[in-house]
Amino acid sequence: DTAVSQTPKYLVTQMGNDKSIKCEQNLGHDTMYWYKQDSKKFLKIMFSYNNKELIINETVPNRFSPKSPDKAHLNLHINSLELGDSAVYFCASSQDRRKAEQYFGPGTRLTVT
Amino acid sequence: DAKTTQPTSMDCAEGRAANLPCNHSTISGNEYVYWYRQIHSQGPQYIIHGLKNNETNEMASLIITEDRKSSTLILPHATLRDTAVYYCIHAGNNRKLIWGLGTSLAVNP
Repeated sequence: DTAVSQTPKYLVTQMGNDKSIKCEQNLGHDTMYWYKQDSKKFLKIMFSYNNKELIINETVPNRFSPKSPDKAHLNLHINSLELGDSAVYFCASSQDRRKAEQYFGPGTRLTVT
Repeated sequence: DAKTTQPTSMDCAEGRAANLPCNHSTISGNEYVYWYRQIHSQGPQYIIHGLKNNETNEMASLIITEDRKSSTLILPHATLRDTAVYYCIHAGNNRKLIWGLGTSLAVNP
């Protein structure tokens, strides 16, 4: 009964490929997030959705496209992968957009070769 | 850029209290102080948050100074499983969290 789950846990791919990471939460939360944690361990928000509506869109290359088919799912699609995209990507959710108490998934370690 | 300042690393003996300080001198009146931790290779975990009063839950206590420019997270009886990076964050109305590098806490046997 994992609260926030992500698949896959590890993703190794070559430059130029397109890949997707899936996230699901069973907490009944309205708001979901994607974060990127780089090799220096900085955690930066990329996107946030509230009830399927995009509410935060940081300065992220447009090769990254989030999609929220329903409020329990937030997927991240990445086109034309680059070496610099290698990182750990975390999905998170919160009860609503006013709550900063966020619950994180286990992360997806993306390695681009 | 992170808006809080924390020591890079700290050590604590198992069974003792771990006191983790944080400076947040630029905090606004309507911003809360949040603490999270990240155990190696796991996602961050929410610990506690507060506005101006001290707070306690099953994981930790949060002491916020009267001027709200600093706070201390207290783990009353640290265990080896508390070894992690601890992040102190203050968040405004949009609740967008700006993460620093946190404090790497090592709990030693």
